[in-house]
Amino acid sequence: DVKVTQSSRYLVKRTGEKVFLECVQDMDHENMFWYRQDPGLGLRLIYFSYDVKMKEKGDIPEGYSVSREKKERFSLILESASTNQTSMYLCASSLSPGDSPLHFGNGTRLTVT
Amino acid sequence: QKEVEQNSGPLSVPEGAIASLNCTYSDRGSQSFFWYRQYSGKSPELIMFIYSNGDKEDGRFTAQLNKASQYVSLLIRDSQPSDSATYLCAVKIDYGQNFVFGPGTRLSVLP
Repeated sequence: DVKVTQSSRYLVKRTGEKVFLECVQDMDHENMFWYRQDPGLGLRLIYFSYDVKMKEKGDIPEGYSVSREKKERFSLILESASTNQTSMYLCASSLSPGDSPLHFGNGTRLTVT
Repeated sequence: QKEVEQNSGPLSVPEGAIASLNCTYSDRGSQSFFWYRQYSGKSPELIMFIYSNGDKEDGRFTAQLNKASQYVSLLIRDSQPSDSATYLCAVKIDYGQNFVFGPGTRLSVLP
């Protein structure tokens, strides 16, 4: 079974802090994704990566950056956390072929105060 | 703009009934279609996927795809209270690696 592990289940940070969300997958997947999910807004893609050191902006990249130095690890960085970044953050991974599904981690509930 | 639409619900069905969840998509280049279940406070989990027109069955679940009508559905037979969750439809465009998600349909199975 594919395992996607997010480092924290719950995080509380202060406005202005730099926040790192870590994600590791154990199935040698090429593609990794960061989404945020908010009530009424659904899943929104922040960034994705299809290879080591490669990244692509999603629908809402503002205020975020990412890092993928190793194939199994994809980090999301909030450069200066703000209260409107309070959300559920979901990491996911997939193989490259078009018929491969997304596999999600357990999510990180981030609260910025 | 690629769009995936679902009725937000809630869809309420009695225990033992068939629940029918619907999804339409706008991009005719869509090739792969996925259904995810998400319990409150949890992450989405894959139920099943379908690529070809027609029906695909897996236990109590049946996915139906009609590419001409740009329509995909999920049927849940013998619905159980444990099926109460939000069901997300996701579409993957063949030439990209990105997934487009619908807003989800909240299903409530009443005992």
